[in-house]
Amino acid sequence: TQLLEQSPQFLSIQEGENLTVYCNSSSVFSSLQWYRQEPGEGPVLLVTVVTGGEVKKLKRLTFQFGDARKDSSLHITAAQPGDTGLYLCAGATSNTGKLIFGQGTTLQVKP
Amino acid sequence: DTGVSQDPRHKITKRGQNVTFRCDPISEHNRLYWYRQTLGQGPEFLTYFQNEAQLEKSRLLSDRFSAERPKGSFSTLEIQRTEQGDSAMYLCASSLTPGLLIHEQYFGPGTRLTVT
Repeated sequence: TQLLEQSPQFLSIQEGENLTVYCNSSSVFSSLQWYRQEPGEGPVLLVTVVTGGEVKKLKRLTFQFGDARKDSSLHITAAQPGDTGLYLCAGATSNTGKLIFGQGTTLQVKP
Repeated sequence: DTGVSQDPRHKITKRGQNVTFRCDPISEHNRLYWYRQTLGQGPEFLTYFQNEAQLEKSRLLSDRFSAERPKGSFSTLEIQRTEQGDSAMYLCASSLTPGLLIHEQYFGPGTRLTVT
């Protein structure tokens, strides 16, 4: 069974702080995606990483794919209340494109 | 194009009733996926279509569940004889057949099902 373990599950921080969310697996993924989800809504795609060691930046968010393509991290610099939400990592291992999701990290940024 | 749409957004039903959900993917996307998400968890794969062909079904998809995509455009997910354990958010996603490595899926807003 392929699993993606996300940590931490919950994070409550003050505005302006930095944070990192981790996504780990024993499986190799052909691509890994990060989503953000608001309550009652569907996940919104933030980024896709494909190459081992790849780093992508999206404003204050930095995403990294592990060299072996088994793990990934999301780093947020100077978090803002608007960053509050559920962050999900999802990996694809086959040509079907079926995604295996982590259990998510709930982030709360207090003003 | 406004993205993936799902209807209804919310459905409350009594145990034993049948329900049907609809998903309209992004128009040029040939792959369509259904996922289920329960509170505090990430989405779990249920099934997917490439054009009108249903190519994979999860073991989560019991025989009370059936999905169709008759013309390769919209899809429906039907649950027969609903049970309280079926209460969840049902998510639809679509993608364009990717290169071998990239599987970007775009999700709809979901249908929240509550079985009483």
